[in-house]
Amino acid sequence: DAGVTQSPTHLIKTRGQQVTLRCSPKSGHDTVSWYQQALGQGPQFIFQYYEEEERQRGNFPDRFSGHQFPNYSSELNVNALLLGDSALYLCASSFRKNYGYTFGSGTRLTVV
Amino acid sequence: QQPVQSPQAVILREGEDAVINCSSSKALYSVHWYRQKHGEAPVFLMILLKGGEQKGHDKISASFNEKKQQSSLYLTASQLSYSGTYFCGTENGDSNYQLIWGAGTKLIIKP
Repeated sequence: DAGVTQSPTHLIKTRGQQVTLRCSPKSGHDTVSWYQQALGQGPQFIFQYYEEEERQRGNFPDRFSGHQFPNYSSELNVNALLLGDSALYLCASSFRKNYGYTFGSGTRLTVV
Repeated sequence: QQPVQSPQAVILREGEDAVINCSSSKALYSVHWYRQKHGEAPVFLMILLKGGEQKGHDKISASFNEKKQQSSLYLTASQLSYSGTYFCGTENGDSNYQLIWGAGTKLIIKP
């Protein structure tokens, strides 16, 4: 049973560019959350998608947007990249509340 | 708003016990515990819901004191495989889906 799959694993972008990260949730999961994790810190919640809609959003600017598709997969888009956007981006899937999250291995984004 | 974890780091010998604490300034609906090894994804350990409960998971267990807004993770007879950074994550309501993570506790197990 495949877990959460994220692509690409690594990405290097130039400041000002746009990037799209992709996530396929674990089989049976219908909810996808995105997190940003800086080196040596805990993950920061970006947003959560359920039934193809953004259900909740963390304290991130509008440059961060997302989408969930009918097959529950999801994309994270970041526009006008800043150097400070360099981080590990984690996708986590779940089935309903109160069951914990399964994380993907992440996409390491470097902005130069 | 971020939960406070203590200690920041722990070094143990294999077979020793450890306790990691997580404290919040806000009322809690649930507490999650995850372990993350270097370069890997966080792995879910357990979730505790309000109502005050304990859970066990092999030699890893946890408690949740709703009134004190605290949770503790207990690692018994630690094994080398327990090494990693432990994070608690908190949710503040049943209609709140944002998991707020602590800064983590780094656990090093030596043979």
